[in-house]
Amino acid sequence: EDQVTQSPEALRLQEGESSSLNCSYTVSGLRGLFWYRQDPGKGPEFLFTLYSAGEEKEKERLKATLTKKESFLHITAPKPEDSATYLCAVQARSGAGNQFYFGTGTSLTVIP
Amino acid sequence: DTGVSQDPRHKITKRGQNVTFRCDPISEHNRLYWYRQTLGQGPEFLTYFQNEAQLEKSRLLSDRFSAERPKGSFSTLEIQRTEQGDSAMYLCASSLPQGSGNTIYFGEGSWLTVV
Repeated sequence: EDQVTQSPEALRLQEGESSSLNCSYTVSGLRGLFWYRQDPGKGPEFLFTLYSAGEEKEKERLKATLTKKESFLHITAPKPEDSATYLCAVQARSGAGNQFYFGTGTSLTVIP
Repeated sequence: DTGVSQDPRHKITKRGQNVTFRCDPISEHNRLYWYRQTLGQGPEFLTYFQNEAQLEKSRLLSDRFSAERPKGSFSTLEIQRTEQGDSAMYLCASSLPQGSGNTIYFGEGSWLTVV
């Protein structure tokens, strides 16, 4: 069964304190892995798509990496405005391949 | 910026009433998705359209739920005889045709509270 697990569930960081969020997945053929940011009461905002192991993407203070079993979202020198829930999703090659399976997210709080 | 648009953003309804949500996808996107999200959980897949054809439905989608995309543009999600367990945020997402990129882009969601 296709599955996505994110850890930790919650993370509190001091401003400037770098850290990483983890997304472990089991999927019958990965079509793509996606990272989203979600602010309270709003829809998920797209951050990155990764397609194959070894791929990396960067945007401002965020960097996403992918292996065959997991993805990391590295946050360098975070600021309070980075506080949000970060969601990971995978799209499988199995079946019609149109379902995206989401983890439950990591709630990040950056303290000034 | 014409992203995915959802209406209404918030709906409070009494148990047993019917509600309908509308989604307008990004204009060049022919694929449209509905998801449901409850507090502390990730979005759960409900259904998927390619153009006007509904190609996939989740087991979560009971017979009280119906979705349409009559002309391959906007979509509606109707919930009949609402129950308190239907309280959630209903998210619509869209993406380009297959082969042009897999990324799905979400709207701001429609919050449903059943009282």
